[in-house]
Amino acid sequence: EDKVVQSPLSLVVHEGDTVTLNCSYEVTNFRSLLWYKQEKKAPTFLFMLTSSGIEKKSGRLSSILDKKELFSILNITATQTGDSAIYLCAVPGGSNYKLTFGKGTLLTVNP
Amino acid sequence: NAGVTQTPKFQVLKTGQSMTLQCAQDMNHNSMYWYRQDPGMGLRLIYYSASEGTTDKGEVPNGYNVSRLNKREFSLRLESAAPSQTSVYFCASSDRGRRSYNSPLHFGNGTRLTVT
Repeated sequence: EDKVVQSPLSLVVHEGDTVTLNCSYEVTNFRSLLWYKQEKKAPTFLFMLTSSGIEKKSGRLSSILDKKELFSILNITATQTGDSAIYLCAVPGGSNYKLTFGKGTLLTVNP
Repeated sequence: NAGVTQTPKFQVLKTGQSMTLQCAQDMNHNSMYWYRQDPGMGLRLIYYSASEGTTDKGEVPNGYNVSRLNKREFSLRLESAAPSQTSVYFCASSDRGRRSYNSPLHFGNGTRLTVT
């Protein structure tokens, strides 16, 4: 059975702090790992990683994948209150068509 | 540019009542999905449709049925609602498939369902 585990489950920081969110996985036939941000409504796509050591960056957010150790991290530098959200990690499982999601990390950024 | 549209946004049902959640996408995606999201449980796949005319069970299909009406529309039906089905339901679509297995999912804004 495919498994995606995220840690921590929740995190409270102050504006300006740097945070690291973790995602470990066990899936058959790994193809990619995806990160989503969920605020009040729909999850929105952030990154997709397919190769080890390749760091994706978008402004203050960056993510890296380690296919040997089966994990990914999402870094957010200089956090802002607008970064408060649930961050979800997902991987395609045995079937091309299905994504298995972790339980998410609830990030709260206080002013 | 609507993306994925779900209706209704909110619904309250009594135990035993039935209802259908509607979902439509305008991105010409092949694959469509229904997820439920519960506190502490993350997103769990109920059913998915890899292409028009096909549907398959996900992780938590019991108590639900689906219909892929055409390429755009994928509905989720609760025949006899139970309190355990109180949840937020998300529809999603993607181009995910043999040629584009890395295509990300695009989500609708969700339906908040309460069963009393």
